[in-house]
Amino acid sequence: EAQVTQNPRYLITVTGKKLTVTCSQNMNHEYMSWYRQDPGLGLRQIYYSMNVEVTDKGDVPEGYKVSRKEKRNFPLILESPSPNQTSLYFCASSGTGAGGANVLTFGAGSRLTVL
Amino acid sequence: EDQVTQSPEALRLQEGESSSLNCSYTVSGLRGLFWYRQDPGKGPEFLFTLYSAGEEKEKERLKATLTKKESFLHITAPKPEDSATYLCAVRNQAGTALIFGKGTTLSVSS
Repeated sequence: EAQVTQNPRYLITVTGKKLTVTCSQNMNHEYMSWYRQDPGLGLRQIYYSMNVEVTDKGDVPEGYKVSRKEKRNFPLILESPSPNQTSLYFCASSGTGAGGANVLTFGAGSRLTVL
Repeated sequence: EDQVTQSPEALRLQEGESSSLNCSYTVSGLRGLFWYRQDPGKGPEFLFTLYSAGEEKEKERLKATLTKKESFLHITAPKPEDSATYLCAVRNQAGTALIFGKGTTLSVSS
């Protein structure tokens, strides 16, 4: 089944404790992206990757890092989480029929709480 | 600046009561307008892509239409299982992101 898999689905952590949210897709998609979803603010892009070793900032990148060493994986790293990073996070991917972001396939989401 | 505005924020319908959701957009050179459905606690699920003014697409009780400034998602004779949040998005000019509206939460009661 074509899908985007995120882990963990739920996480409660404390301020300053480094964490990584993994994302993997099995569709051979070049483009991958991370979004966060907050009440009243909607979905906002954190980082994106057009292909392996090619990443760039989205609209809200502060406090986050990413890497794209393999085509299928795009982990999101929070080096020193803070309470304002409490949110619902989505990883998404798309093929490059039209280049870059197109019809996105989303993961099921990772709900992160930072105390 | 690329922008998407959806209205209303919330909509309550009786089963069988047809209605429309609105998505107004501002983007330089539309390169795709997307509709998604999102159920509580789940990721958005793709419904439609529209590219040109006048284009229409249908799927079961849903029909999406596009003009030069807005898109409508028409829901005909809705059922309770159509209850969800409907998201509209446009591809940004650089092609690096989809810009999402805040969504319309639809509740259909029997």
